[in-house]
Amino acid sequence: AQSVTQPDIHITVSEGASLELRCNYSYGATPYLFWYVQSPGQGLQLLLKYFSGDTLVQGIKGFEAEFKRSQSSFNLRKPSVHWSDAAEYFCAVGAVDSGNTPLVFGKGTRLSVIA
Amino acid sequence: EAQVTQNPRYLITVTGKKLTVTCSQNMNHEYMSWYRQDPGLGLRQIYYSMNVEVTDKGDVPEGYKVSRKEKRNFPLILESPSPNQTSLYFCASSLSGGGGMAQWGYTFGSGTRLTVV
Repeated sequence: AQSVTQPDIHITVSEGASLELRCNYSYGATPYLFWYVQSPGQGLQLLLKYFSGDTLVQGIKGFEAEFKRSQSSFNLRKPSVHWSDAAEYFCAVGAVDSGNTPLVFGKGTRLSVIA
Repeated sequence: EAQVTQNPRYLITVTGKKLTVTCSQNMNHEYMSWYRQDPGLGLRQIYYSMNVEVTDKGDVPEGYKVSRKEKRNFPLILESPSPNQTSLYFCASSLSGGGGMAQWGYTFGSGTRLTVV
């Protein structure tokens, strides 16, 4: 079964600084990978997803993520953080040959942005 | 607008009083699911449904019931709520529940914050 780890529970960055949120997964083959964002009081919104092909994936709100098979990672990046990016971020993994296996979510990383 | 709609957004209830949280999607999605979100525990799946009349337990099904009588609706039922079910609940849906379903990702509702006193 697949699993996903987000090592950082909480990260604080200054507005305008760069951001990298880490995600490591465990799966025997190439998985489907997702990043979701949850703004305060809101549901989860899909930021980006990786299925195959180019390992650098562009998403909404200026985010990107890079799939690194050798490191079993799918880290989320943004070159310049805005105060509105303060939220909780979830990485999720799905099995390519899943049949009926649901997505597995990490426990989330809470991002705080300071002036 | 394509969306998953949950109601109510906020609910305070007393122990033992049956309640239902509704979930409806307008995207003709086959797959629907319920999650609860608790601090430090992330999202945990309660129940899911691959299609009409097909439901299955997730990781934390105890104390909950679901039904899927029609494609668009997937209500979550708490027959006898207890304080440990105080949580933030999310409904999610996906295009297909079949092989390779994972590639579609999920669309989430805005959440229901439930407090059981």
